[in-house]
Amino acid sequence: NAGVTQTPKFQVLKTGQSMTLQCAQDMNHEYMSWYRQDPGMGLRLIHYSVGAGITDQGEVPNGYNVSRSTTEDFPLRLLSAAPSQTSVYFCASRIAGVGYEQYFGPGTRLTVT
Amino acid sequence: GNSVTQMEGPVTLSEEAFLTINCTYTATGYPSLFWYVQYPGEGLQLLLKATKADDKGSNKGFEATYRKETTSFHLEKGSVQVSDSAVYFCALLSNFGNEKLTFGTGTRLTIIP
Repeated sequence: NAGVTQTPKFQVLKTGQSMTLQCAQDMNHEYMSWYRQDPGMGLRLIHYSVGAGITDQGEVPNGYNVSRSTTEDFPLRLLSAAPSQTSVYFCASRIAGVGYEQYFGPGTRLTVT
Repeated sequence: GNSVTQMEGPVTLSEEAFLTINCTYTATGYPSLFWYVQYPGEGLQLLLKATKADDKGSNKGFEATYRKETTSFHLEKGSVQVSDSAVYFCALLSNFGNEKLTFGTGTRLTIIP
């Protein structure tokens, strides 16, 4: 049981490049989400999904796309990277419903130059 | 909307000191409340939780009590250790709407021997 896995761990992009951050979980969790963590701002929700084929926007969705074709995978796509997207990105998953623990991946540190 | 306000950091304490990190919240309905901890270079992991008023969550010597009358969920530990040095996040999960987990901005705790 690997939990929530993310790849890559580190990435450097040039402005305008695109890339996909990968996230997978093996706990059969319905709910998956992506956050970005910036100094002094806590974690902000980018996108989330309540099941395969269903996604929705969080607080800061601009510049990011997601899809959920399987229960296990929830990739995050940066369409045209900007320096403002320099951040640490965390994927998380949990059982749907109030009170359930959210499990986090180890994070991807992204730098856009 | 929902929000979480937690004590500004950083907090520096000597080993064996008493710790309190304040957390207050604003939410509709009856949210579940969580404390997450992030050790250097890692993702977040659940420290403790409480799902209804007057519940006390506890783990690894940390405690927090869900106080609906003061909308608070303060984190306490009687005797901190160097290994407790980390960033602590208070969070809530509302039972209304889309089940988004809302985080505070985090409090960095450093324990000196």
